[in-house]
Formats: sequence, C-alpha cells, structure tokens
Amino acid sequence: SAVISQKPSRDICQRGTSLTIQCQVDSQVTMMFWYRQQPGQSLTLIATANQGSEATYESGFVIDKFPISRPNLTFSTLTVSNMSPEDSSIYLCSVEDRGGTGELFFGEGSRLTVL
Amino acid sequence: GENVEQHPSTLSVQEGDSAVIKCTYSDSASNYFPWYKQELGKRPQLIIDIRSNVGEKKDQRIAVTLNKTAKHFSLHITETQPEDSAVYFCAASASNTGNQFYFGTGTSLTVIP
Repeated sequence: SAVISQKPSRDICQRGTSLTIQCQVDSQVTMMFWYRQQPGQSLTLIATANQGSEATYESGFVIDKFPISRPNLTFSTLTVSNMSPEDSSIYLCSVEDRGGTGELFFGEGSRLTVL
Repeated sequence: GENVEQHPSTLSVQEGDSAVIKCTYSDSASNYFPWYKQELGKRPQLIIDIRSNVGEKKDQRIAVTLNKTAKHFSLHITETQPEDSAVYFCAASASNTGNQFYFGTGTSLTVIP
C-alpha cells in the first residue's frame, strides 16, 4: 500500500492566479500520476511525473497550463496556471502499488474553486 | 490513447437485488482492469480487479468478468446493500505503456432500502 498526502485539501482561487498542489508519498515510487475530476465526472489523467525527466502529458493537457515538478522519488507538485472557472475541479495525485499488484492508490484530492 | 466507455451512468436497485455495470475498452494492449468505488467526498478505492489472462474473478458479493475478444468487462454486485451506494469506475491499463490508468465515465449506484 501507499500513504499519499496532498495539500492543500481545498482552496478558493481568483481568476488569473496560479496554485501549486503538493503530493507526498510515504515510499519511493518511480511514477506519480496526476488526475483531474471535474464535478460529477470521471477521473481524467493529466500527466505522468517521472523523477529526473519531464512529465508526460495526455492529449488536451499542456505543460504551460499544468507544469509539474518531480524533484525526488517521494514528492511531486502540480501547478494550475492562469486559472479560470473551468479549472474548478478536484485534482488527485496517485501512485501504483510498489508490491506489483497494479493497484492505484489516490491521495485525498485537492478541491479547487476558481471564482 | 485508451478509450473506456461505461454504462449505465446511473443505476438504482432494491436492496438485495443484483447490480451490473459494463465497460468497453479500445486498446487491445490493455491487460489490467480494476474497478474503483468512490463514496461521496472520498478518494477512489480499489474493490476488485482482473487481468487479461483470467475470464472471471469473484470476491464475496462482487465479481468481475472479462471478454478480451470483445474488449468488454463487467462488474456484478449481488445481494446489494445500502452501503454499496457509491460511484463506481472501471479502468483499463496496459503494463507496457507506463501503467497509465484510463477510467470510464462512472456509474452512480443507489441501493434503495
């Protein structure tokens, strides 16, 4: 299993500002995944963060809007830049089980509201 | 990338009845198919999973079936209970593509007491 801590848990932001979400894992992991869950919607993969290399972004997501850092094997940040109300969402950090079961563990999520 | 479709989007059943949720996927390379349960305001949590070398897997009241030829898999919940009420997501992953998980659109299950 993995224990994942995210912060902030929630925030209210002004249009045009940027916010950085932090994700801390209790063990070293190769890949960390960032998902977005818009209200009442599914989980959409934003990007995969690898330590020591640039993040890999999914179609529809770009680095300028969602820059990601991965300074070590237990930590990652996701920044939501130049926010608009459409960015209001829950952002979840996740990692795969190190035991090789394939299970994906999620953080509690960061609920962002953009006014 | 992978495209996962899930039906129905909402499902209401009487307590004690069975519930079935179906998913299809597009990428034949996908070989791992988990199901996640998300209660209101909480994080998704794995309830059962199946790999491509298995056709069916059961864990107490929950079972999952996989038809790799048709690229679809299903979640079956028997003897439903009110605490089964939640949103359920299917997902697909191909271990040779960095283990990214692609989720279905979710099914909101309500079990009526």
